[in-house]
Amino acid sequence: DAGVIQSPRHEVTEMGQEVTLRCKPISGHNSLFWYRQTMMRGLELLIYFNNNVPIDDSGMPEDRFSAKMPNASFSTLKIQPSEPRDSAVYFCASSPRTDTNYGYTFGSGTRLTVV
Amino acid sequence: AQSVTQLDSHVSVSEGTPVLLRCNYSSSYSPSLFWYVQHPNKGLQLLLKYTSAATLVKGINGFEAEFKKSETSFHLTKPSAHMSDAAEYFCVVSGGSNFGNEKLTFGTGTRLTIIP
Repeated sequence: DAGVIQSPRHEVTEMGQEVTLRCKPISGHNSLFWYRQTMMRGLELLIYFNNNVPIDDSGMPEDRFSAKMPNASFSTLKIQPSEPRDSAVYFCASSPRTDTNYGYTFGSGTRLTVV
Repeated sequence: AQSVTQLDSHVSVSEGTPVLLRCNYSSSYSPSLFWYVQHPNKGLQLLLKYTSAATLVKGINGFEAEFKKSETSFHLTKPSAHMSDAAEYFCVVSGGSNFGNEKLTFGTGTRLTIIP
């Protein structure tokens, strides 16, 4: 298995532009998580899905952020409009069950820079 | 509510000497505990996990951790450090919810530096 695949690896965009981050979970994993990592706040859970349904989006910072999971093999995290404070590394992770006893498998992340 | 506290933001050890990374947790429910490692510019990798089985948990690359309920601790150890162990280490807790174990709460991380 290729693991959790995120794209792009790096994204530089201007303030006000729309940014879309993509994630392909491991086949057969039915839980998907989006995390954001910054120096100031560490790792924060933004949203997670179970069987393609959003379960908890309480970590999504504001309405500029949205996430979708149209099918079991693909998810997007969109920021519109982007702001410099959104600059961070965004990680996607998947798990075979909602029970985190199985642990998560993380992607390599997308480093977002908003200038 | 659940939380973890990593007691050291930065630990430096000499190659070949023991490693100790400290973690204390707080959880209203029986927790599951994990250690993840992040090498520079890489994603996070699961090192080991405790899920209410044996209290001494062995992980990859010679790491192990012991769950001590009386001390609410889950410290990570390794007998002999290797240069390749230099990375950021995260202590993680889950299971602090009525709704199941879906959410992981990460500590702030401990940066491990290995001195040649």
